Amino acid sequence: AQKVTQAQTEISVVEKEDVTLDCVYETRDTTYYLFWYKQPPSGELVFLIRRNSFDEQNEISGRYSWNFQKSTSSFNFTITASQVVDSAVYFCALSEITEGGIKGGSEKLVFGKGTKLTVNP
Amino acid sequence: DSGVTQTPKHLITATGQRVTLRCSPRSGDLSVYWYQQSLDQGLQFLIQYYNGEERAKGNILERFSAQQFPDLHSELNLSSLELGDSALYFCASSPGLAITSDTQYFGPGTRLTVL
Repeated sequence: AQKVTQAQTEISVVEKEDVTLDCVYETRDTTYYLFWYKQPPSGELVFLIRRNSFDEQNEISGRYSWNFQKSTSSFNFTITASQVVDSAVYFCALSEITEGGIKGGSEKLVFGKGTKLTVNP
Repeated sequence: DSGVTQTPKHLITATGQRVTLRCSPRSGDLSVYWYQQSLDQGLQFLIQYYNGEERAKGNILERFSAQQFPDLHSELNLSSLELGDSALYFCASSPGLAITSDTQYFGPGTRLTVL
């Protein structure tokens, strides 16, 4: 079965520091998708990025960047020049094909346990 | 704001009771997913509906059931509640069937406390 491991339970940094959140996954699928979601203190899950298994190009969006390495089954997330508003729990997730269903399989997200990031002023 | 709405925001009830959580997907989305977030189990997929039909089941207890109505809103019914059912329940929606082609957008969640 699919598995996502976020080894860092909690990280604390000072504002303006760079921080990298690690994500390691296990899957037998040849085609799969990886995701990052942010859960701020308000509780809502905010979508950050989706990356398919065929695209290993790194992606940058403002202060956020993602490094996908198939060889090490990792999809790490870096925040550059962190800010207090970045404080949240960050979840890495992996798509998993579910078997069965009424008209065949479907897909679901398998989440890691999350990394709680605290950015101190 | 993801466009997915969930009601109520908070729910406090007693063991043995039954509750209904409601979700309205984003406009145009046909798929609705339910997830449970608890301290010990983390975020777990419960069930998916697509255009009114059950599509996939995850770790959903037999005491739990869901449905999606013709207007595409969905309800998650939890019965014979136990202390361990206390959790944050999320609904997510996506336009189509497969998350590999669509992104799931999550609602704000319903926090259920069973006393």
